[in-house]
Amino acid sequence: EAQVTQNPRYLITVTGKKLTVTCSQNMNHEYMSWYRQDPGLGLRQIYYSMNVEVTDKGDVPEGYKVSRKEKRNFPLILESPSPNQTSLYFCASSWREEGEQFFGPGTRLTVL
Amino acid sequence: EDQVTQSPEALRLQEGESSSLNCSYTVSGLRGLFWYRQDPGKGPEFLFTLYSAGEEKEKERLKATLTKKESFLHITAPKPEDSATYLCAVPPFEVIFGKGTRLHILP
Repeated sequence: EAQVTQNPRYLITVTGKKLTVTCSQNMNHEYMSWYRQDPGLGLRQIYYSMNVEVTDKGDVPEGYKVSRKEKRNFPLILESPSPNQTSLYFCASSWREEGEQFFGPGTRLTVL
Repeated sequence: EDQVTQSPEALRLQEGESSSLNCSYTVSGLRGLFWYRQDPGKGPEFLFTLYSAGEEKEKERLKATLTKKESFLHITAPKPEDSATYLCAVPPFEVIFGKGTRLHILP
């Protein structure tokens, strides 16, 4: 089954404790992206990747890092999480930047 | 600056009452306009892509249209299961999503 998976689905952590949210797709897509979704602000893009080893900042990259060492994986790293990073995070992939995106199920992160 | 604006923010309709959702955009060099449906707590699900003014696409009770400045999502005779948030998005290199229209269909 074609899908985008994210782990964990739910995470409660404390300020400053490094964490990684994994994202994996099995569709051989070149384009992958991370979004955060907050009430009243909608979906905002954090980082995107056009292909392996090619990443670029989206609208709200501060406090986040990503890597794209393999085509299927695109982890989101929070080196020192803060409460303002409490949000619902989505990973997405598509076969090209202008293509329809397939979204993962979301990761609900709470930073205390 | 590229922008996507959706209206209304929320819409309540009776079952069977047709209406339209609006997505207006200002993008230099449109490379496609996308409509997604999102259910609470879930990832957006793709509905349509429109590439050029005058283009229309249909799926069940939904029909999407595109002009040079805006796109409409027409909902004909909606059912309660059509209740969701509908998002439009445009992809330059960074994908910009509108804030969405929360649609609630009352039985």
